[in-house]
Amino acid sequence: GQNIDQPTEMTATEGAIVQINCTYQTSGFNGLFWYQQHAGEAPTFLSYNVLDGLEEKGRFSSFLSRSKGYSYLLLKELQMKDSASYLCAVHSSGGSYIPTFGRGTSLIVHP
Amino acid sequence: DGGITQSPKYLFRKEGQNVTLSCEQNLNHDAMYWYRQDPGQGLRLIYYSQIVNDFQKGDIAEGYSVSREKKESFPLTVTSAQKNPTAFYLCASSARDRGYNEQFFGPGTRLTVL
Repeated sequence: GQNIDQPTEMTATEGAIVQINCTYQTSGFNGLFWYQQHAGEAPTFLSYNVLDGLEEKGRFSSFLSRSKGYSYLLLKELQMKDSASYLCAVHSSGGSYIPTFGRGTSLIVHP
Repeated sequence: DGGITQSPKYLFRKEGQNVTLSCEQNLNHDAMYWYRQDPGQGLRLIYYSQIVNDFQKGDIAEGYSVSREKKESFPLTVTSAQKNPTAFYLCASSARDRGYNEQFFGPGTRLTVL
């Protein structure tokens, strides 16, 4: 089976930096994804990591350590519109390419 | 514009009635998925299909049924056998030639059973 853990809720201040962690245990690994979901809306793709290291995309970066089963999403220069749920999802190996989603981290950005 | 559409956005049904949620995509994606989202539960997979006329059960398929007669369409029927059908339902698709990596989601249907 697969197990994905991420904090339920985090708060931060506008303009600050926040790091959202995700740990996973899977039978094989074929990539880790981060999605952003605003309340009542569809998730939108943020990043994909399959190799160890940091992937940077504007204000958002995602890091992966496969040996530790660990990833984080780093959000810089926080804006109020970044208040959303952030979902970590993992593809296990085996051919089906079906992602397993964590429960999501609700980020609240205060002025 | 390419994308995924789900209709309706809000749906109300009486207990004991079957209801069908539609999902259409014009992205030419091979795979389509149905998820259910409840507060604090994340996304849970109901059914998925990677080719036309074939589909597989996900983690919580009981009380649901699907069909995949056309590549662009993957309707979900919530039957009266589903014990707690009130939820937010999300449809997604992904491309085989991109390793099914990125999923594109529809806007969702919020189903309330009275």
